[in-house]
Amino acid sequence: DVKVTQSSRYLVKRTGEKVFLECVQDMDHENMFWYRQDPGLGLRLIYFSYDVKMKEKGDIPEGYSVSREKKERFSLILESASTNQTSMYLCASSLSGVGYTFGSGTRLTVV
Amino acid sequence: AQTVTQSQPEMSVQEAETVTLSCTYDTSESNYYLFWYKQPPSRQMILVIRQEAYKQQNATENRFSVNFQKAAKSFSLKISDSQLGDTAMYFCAFMTSNSGYALNFGKGTSLLVTP
Repeated sequence: DVKVTQSSRYLVKRTGEKVFLECVQDMDHENMFWYRQDPGLGLRLIYFSYDVKMKEKGDIPEGYSVSREKKERFSLILESASTNQTSMYLCASSLSGVGYTFGSGTRLTVV
Repeated sequence: AQTVTQSQPEMSVQEAETVTLSCTYDTSESNYYLFWYKQPPSRQMILVIRQEAYKQQNATENRFSVNFQKAAKSFSLKISDSQLGDTAMYFCAFMTSNSGYALNFGKGTSLLVTP
């Protein structure tokens, strides 16, 4: 069964910490995405990547960066975590316009 | 800018009844894809149905069907014979090749199916 795996389901970090959220897919998909989900706001795109070492800003990239050194892995980095980054983070991968496969999400709490 | 609007934050339907979730979108693109995703309490996003803009025929998947009105930029989801397991957040989403195949989501509709 094809999968997108997010390394943590729940994460608690302190303000100012550098946080890494990891996402791995086993489907050889070119495109990978990071979304943030907040109640009443839906899913908002943070960053995406269409190839190794390539990245594009989404709608809300401020305070985040990404890394894609290998095709199967796409990392989201919070350089200095803040309380307003407390949220659910969803990773996804896709093969062009065919559709997405989502990970099960990481609920991050910054205290 | 491309936007997706879901005007119903919450809806409720009784088991076995039919419910329609509304979605409108705005784009200047001619070639695009539309989706409905379901997110149950498990948080896993599940594709419900997909529609290519160039296809006039409305997509159908078992109890789920869409009413795609391209001129009106409307893409509603109809759930027939509602089941308790349909209780979830439902997101309408939009994608174009020009946006790098990034999905643009609406804010979601929370659907509760009651016995």
